[in-house]
Amino acid sequence: EPEVTQTPSHQVTQMGQEVILRCVPISNHLYFYWYRQILGQKVEFLVSFYNNEISEKSEIFDDQFSVERPDGSNFTLKIRSTKLEDSAMYFCASSESTYQASYEQYFGPGTRLTVT
Amino acid sequence: RKEVEQDPGPFNVPEGATVAFNCTYSNSASQSFFWYRQDCRKEPKLLMSVYSSGNEDGRFTAQLNRASQYISLLIRDSKLSDSATYLCVARNDYKLSFGAGTTVTVRA
Repeated sequence: EPEVTQTPSHQVTQMGQEVILRCVPISNHLYFYWYRQILGQKVEFLVSFYNNEISEKSEIFDDQFSVERPDGSNFTLKIRSTKLEDSAMYFCASSESTYQASYEQYFGPGTRLTVT
Repeated sequence: RKEVEQDPGPFNVPEGATVAFNCTYSNSASQSFFWYRQDCRKEPKLLMSVYSSGNEDGRFTAQLNRASQYISLLIRDSKLSDSATYLCVARNDYKLSFGAGTTVTVRA
């Protein structure tokens, strides 16, 4: 069964450093997403991406964040100048479409980001 | 007001029991709904989509009431492996809005 993969599984960084989280979405999917979950809190939407551009973003997704699809398989989330409050689990997700039955989003295993 | 609200539980039930819980959503324009399950510190896994007519997948039954903005999940014949946090989710365009989850523990 195809699945979303993410690397690394755990990233530790110092405050102020830049990090790049990587994801490989399911191969025939066209829509890509990043969510985050701070420990003990609910899953929160960050951004959606389609056709090489952002289709929607949340208030959390400010100028500190950027996304990119650098090649045909990877989807990345960059966080510039990390803050302590960026510590969270970051989940990548993908969906085939946003129409009818193919809009179901499938999640990767997550990258645990710890900012010290 | 939270977009999706759930009873956090926990629901502690014996194996073989039926357990039911629900959630409410605030955005009447939400286009579709889902139940995901999440095991401790793992990714949300899609359990089932929820349709207005109600739908069943094995031991799981989901219902949607658009008029009341209410979604339910019923688990029959609970198994130990059903122990998890169940996340109620509403979709608006590209974005999924998650509830905080309902914790279910099935005991032997």
